[in-house]
Amino acid sequence: GQSLEQPSEVTAVEGAIVQINCTYQTSGFYGLSWYQQHDGGAPTFLSYNGLDGLEETGRFSSFLSRSDSYGYLLLQELQMKDSASYFCAVPYSNAGNNRKLIWGLGTSLAVNP
Amino acid sequence: SAVISQKPSRDICQRGTSLTIQCQVDSQVTMMFWYRQQPGQSLTLIATANQGSEATYESGFVIDKFPISRPNLTFSTLTVSNMSPEDSSIYLCSGQVDTEAFFGQGTRLTVV
Repeated sequence: GQSLEQPSEVTAVEGAIVQINCTYQTSGFYGLSWYQQHDGGAPTFLSYNGLDGLEETGRFSSFLSRSDSYGYLLLQELQMKDSASYFCAVPYSNAGNNRKLIWGLGTSLAVNP
Repeated sequence: SAVISQKPSRDICQRGTSLTIQCQVDSQVTMMFWYRQQPGQSLTLIATANQGSEATYESGFVIDKFPISRPNLTFSTLTVSNMSPEDSSIYLCSGQVDTEAFFGQGTRLTVV
C-alpha cells in the first residue's frame, strides 16, 4: 500500500528554523509535494520535488532523497503566521486513473513568540 | 494556479436530507477531486470527478451516498445524500494540474 509518515506536532519560536520530515512508501513514485493549511482554511501548494535535491522558495525549502524514500520541508526565519498544518503528499497513479494525491497525516506547527 | 469557487461555505442540515456542493474553476483542469476532512485531521479522498462519465470512488465511498457530476472541465458537484450526523465534516473540492492541487475554500457541513 501507499503510506506517508510525518511528525504530528512541531513547536518552535519566532526567527528559528524548523524541519518537517516525511518518509514515504509508494509504488510508482513521481515526486513529493508539500501543502500548508491554516485553521479554517484550505490547503495551499508550497512545493514539489520531482528529483533529488533541494528546492528553495523564499523562506521555505524542500528536499528529496529518492534512494532514502525521504524528504523534508525546511522553514526558516519563522513567523507567527507560519503556524499551520503542513502535509506531505505524493501523486499516485493506478491502472487507468489520473494521478491522485496520497496525503500524510499532517504536522501541526506552532510558532511561539 | 487556478481559482476554485466552492459553495455553500457552510450549512446546517436535517438528517435524512441531501445537500449539493458546487465547485467552479476559473480555468480548465484535467483532474478534479472531492475530499472530506475532519478538523485537525488529514484529507480523505472521496472520489475522482471524471468529465462526462461516472466518478471513480475510493474504498468506503459509494455513488448512491455521494453522487458526483462533472459536466465539463470547469464545474463539478458533490451531493451528500440521506445525511446522518456522521456526515458532519468539511468537504473540499480540488482541481489538479499535473502534480499541483488547488482547493476550494471548503464546505463545513453540520448534520443535526
